[in-house]
Amino acid sequence: DTAVSQTPKYLVTQMGNDKSIKCEQNLGHDTMYWYKQDSKKFLKIMFSYNNKELIINETVPNRFSPKSPDKAHLNLHINSLELGDSAVYFCASSQQGAGEAFFGQGTRLTVV
Amino acid sequence: KQEVTQIPAALSVPEGENLVLNCSFTDSAIYNLQWFRQDPGKGLTSLLLIQSSQREQTSGRLNASLDKSSGRSTLYIAASQPGDSATYLCAGTQGGGSEKLVFGKGTKLTVNP
Repeated sequence: DTAVSQTPKYLVTQMGNDKSIKCEQNLGHDTMYWYKQDSKKFLKIMFSYNNKELIINETVPNRFSPKSPDKAHLNLHINSLELGDSAVYFCASSQQGAGEAFFGQGTRLTVV
Repeated sequence: KQEVTQIPAALSVPEGENLVLNCSFTDSAIYNLQWFRQDPGKGLTSLLLIQSSQREQTSGRLNASLDKSSGRSTLYIAASQPGDSATYLCAGTQGGGSEKLVFGKGTKLTVNP
């Protein structure tokens, strides 16, 4: 069983479109995250949710809107996609206080 | 603002060598430290977690240590194998309710047969 799963794995879309990435974890964790890995492979936090509540919003443009329908799911919706949004987006989860984070396989977003 | 430096950026070794990867934090107030492995085009695989009360963790041929006084961590890989070739990332949290991981840029390891 995949612990943290994201869909889709690849996403190619035109500038200006709106797209969503879905994430689900079956580890029973209470905290989920979105990280972005840029073209230089640098990973940086975007958002963190704990029990469906937003706790970290790391100066991400408001075109990016995370949504957590329940603590096992954290989706990322992106409006008006720009070329600079091209990156790999990783979902992760952990149990607050316990620390070990588990990552999904990533979604490679290419904006053309 | 926490920043993480990993040295070296790339490393190429012959099979069988023991090696050390280094990671340092600008702010030594690290709560948890985690080492990951990333294969090309893949996600991150958690290798070792050093929790706030610990200084060291071992898993098989891997040993990670954390010196909180200096804000430095090392990942020791014994008897390296070609299958160890990957990018190794260290990341730390700073506690206080913040669970976010701050990552280094990684060390790209190549183990030659």
